[in-house]
Amino acid sequence: EIVLTQSPGTLSVSPGERATLSCRASQSVSGNYLTWFQQKPGQAPRLLIFGASSRATGIPERFSGSGSGTDFTLTISKLEPEDFAVYYCQQCGTSPRTFGQGTKVEIK
Amino acid sequence: QVQLVQSGAEVKKPGASVKVSCKTSGYTFVSYGISWVRQAPGQGLEWMGWMSAYNGNTNYAQKFQGRVTMTTNTSTSTAYMELRSLRSDDTAVYYCARDLKAWNTLIQGAYWGQGTLVTVSS
Repeated sequence: EIVLTQSPGTLSVSPGERATLSCRASQSVSGNYLTWFQQKPGQAPRLLIFGASSRATGIPERFSGSGSGTDFTLTISKLEPEDFAVYYCQQCGTSPRTFGQGTKVEIK
Repeated sequence: QVQLVQSGAEVKKPGASVKVSCKTSGYTFVSYGISWVRQAPGQGLEWMGWMSAYNGNTNYAQKFQGRVTMTTNTSTSTAYMELRSLRSDDTAVYYCARDLKAWNTLIQGAYWGQGTLVTVSS
């Protein structure tokens, strides 16, 4: 199974600053089918980015995804107060569809 | 609009089974797959498996093979996940989620249910 390792575990950022989250796979993600989710406390996850770099409907342009193969990045260009949450990556190119352990973005 | 509404919280004893439902609306049920994901208290997301609402094909995570069954009722546009031989470490919120694109299992989790808390305790 593909293991996804997210770093850092926690990211402390001030509103308005840029946040860069990493997701590294133990082997190449087939088709770059790498998805990013945002989850806030008490809520279901929300789809942000699919196919490594395509924004889902309604997702603000400040969210962008990049990468291929084994290294992927989620960038939030200017953090808004509502962006403080936990972010997960998931690969869907190979079964089982595994998740990373998450990165918590907290207010500095 | 697309909606997935799950059944209510459950409390079960070790060794018992639980069946969680996920009633969908707002789209053509058979055109999209449904995955199930769980989240233990304070922990991350864990993918349990996926099912085609069209033909019933399933793809279970090996960890749950033999203990989980995913089914659908196309007449009511409802998906089900049954987990058997429950243990205390099965205590979690269980989510259903719909694929993003019809007939394409490669992008999961476009729409989510609200989650169902299953507590396993003696």
